[in-house]
Amino acid sequence: QSALTQPASVSGSPGQSITISCAGTRSDIGGYDYVSWYQQHPGKAPKLMIYEVSNRPSGVSSRFSGSKSGNTASLTISGLQADDEADYYCSSYSDNSAYVFGTGTKVTVL
Amino acid sequence: QVQLVQSGAEVKKPGASVKVSCKASGYTFVYYTMHWVRQAPGQRLEWMGWLNPGNGNTKYSQQFQGRVTITRDASATTAYMELRSLTSGDTAVYYCARSPINRGFDSWGQGTLVSVSS
Repeated sequence: QSALTQPASVSGSPGQSITISCAGTRSDIGGYDYVSWYQQHPGKAPKLMIYEVSNRPSGVSSRFSGSKSGNTASLTISGLQADDEADYYCSSYSDNSAYVFGTGTKVTVL
Repeated sequence: QVQLVQSGAEVKKPGASVKVSCKASGYTFVYYTMHWVRQAPGQRLEWMGWLNPGNGNTKYSQQFQGRVTITRDASATTAYMELRSLTSGDTAVYYCARSPINRGFDSWGQGTLVSVSS
């Protein structure tokens, strides 16, 4: 399967909101409500931030929210903070019981 | 607390195989699927496959089909990922990750660096 498409980089100032898009197809994002988002700081394992499109695991800040429209999912970070600077990856369940990750987005806090 | 502890770094020659282990604790091993994900240096995450620890069923990414095998020892609550016919392109950090079905990968191992070089 091909990777989901994300912008290479997104930036914002502290306190601002940013949105990261994740474009797929009807075989993955468009066909299932099983989109998840991960935050990865350098040298660390990824951390689950959103699952099933818009659900937050316990302990994840409410500043993180997810949504989906058609074949595209989005992650919004509101009230941007310095510690939000990291790489972010989307992932989706896809046909034939497989999974696929996005290309990754580097978030920079200006 | 949930913990996934992986085996240590490996250095392999091209053409060799590598087997990475992932010891799970803090939860009922057979109730969650176990996935393997890799990340080459400076590159994106790549999903490799998953295992149902309860019955041993597996599903592999087409990219790795025929070259990867994921197994488990349920009595030892440990999952394994074996990758064969290694090339320099397989140099990466390999992660195991737990998933309550379709609810994302909610716990990750610390990662195992596999380096392939002649």
